[in-house]
Amino acid sequence: DTAVSQTPKYLVTQMGNDKSIKCEQNLGHDTMYWYKQDSKKFLKIMFSYNNKELIINETVPNRFSPKSPDKAHLNLHINSLELGDSAVYFCASSQGGSVSDTQYFGPGTRLTVL
Amino acid sequence: AQKVTQAQTEISVVEKEDVTLDCVYETRDTTYYLFWYKQPPSGELVFLIRRNSFDEQNEISGRYSWNFQKSTSSFNFTITASQVVDSAVYFCALSEPTGFQKLVFGTGTRLLVSP
Repeated sequence: DTAVSQTPKYLVTQMGNDKSIKCEQNLGHDTMYWYKQDSKKFLKIMFSYNNKELIINETVPNRFSPKSPDKAHLNLHINSLELGDSAVYFCASSQGGSVSDTQYFGPGTRLTVL
Repeated sequence: AQKVTQAQTEISVVEKEDVTLDCVYETRDTTYYLFWYKQPPSGELVFLIRRNSFDEQNEISGRYSWNFQKSTSSFNFTITASQVVDSAVYFCALSEPTGFQKLVFGTGTRLLVSP
């Protein structure tokens, strides 16, 4: 059983389109995250949600909008895609979001904007 | 501000060699947690270890060992008798205690183990 799953695994789209990435965790965790990994492999947090509430919102363009319908799901919608949005997006989850918690990551979604 | 430095961009070794991946961190907090993750060529991020700032004991797990030294703000990772399957990018991360957890990652070290 996959603990943290993401769909799709690959996403290729044109500039200007709107796309969504879905994430689900079956670990019973309260906190979920989105990270962006750029072409140089640098990982940076974008958002985190705790019990469906937005907790962390880094300096991410408004075109990115996370949505958490329930504790087990955190989706990422991106409007008006730009070339610079091409990256690997990782979803993660942790028990409660405290400093001691371990984050478990999904397999990643590779987004390519043409 | 919190910062994690992995100065080694890429390391190449031959199978069965021992290799150490360096991680140096900066924080003003007294309570913090450090992590190592592995990203194999398949792309997923795999959790390896978590260590809190009050526990300076070295940890060993099979061929993996970790050396945490608060005096030098380092949390180094050693693979003994490396294998081809160890080829991956390894990330060190620091947990910021800002109410809710935020991981700050280093830039990663790519390890290539050749047969």
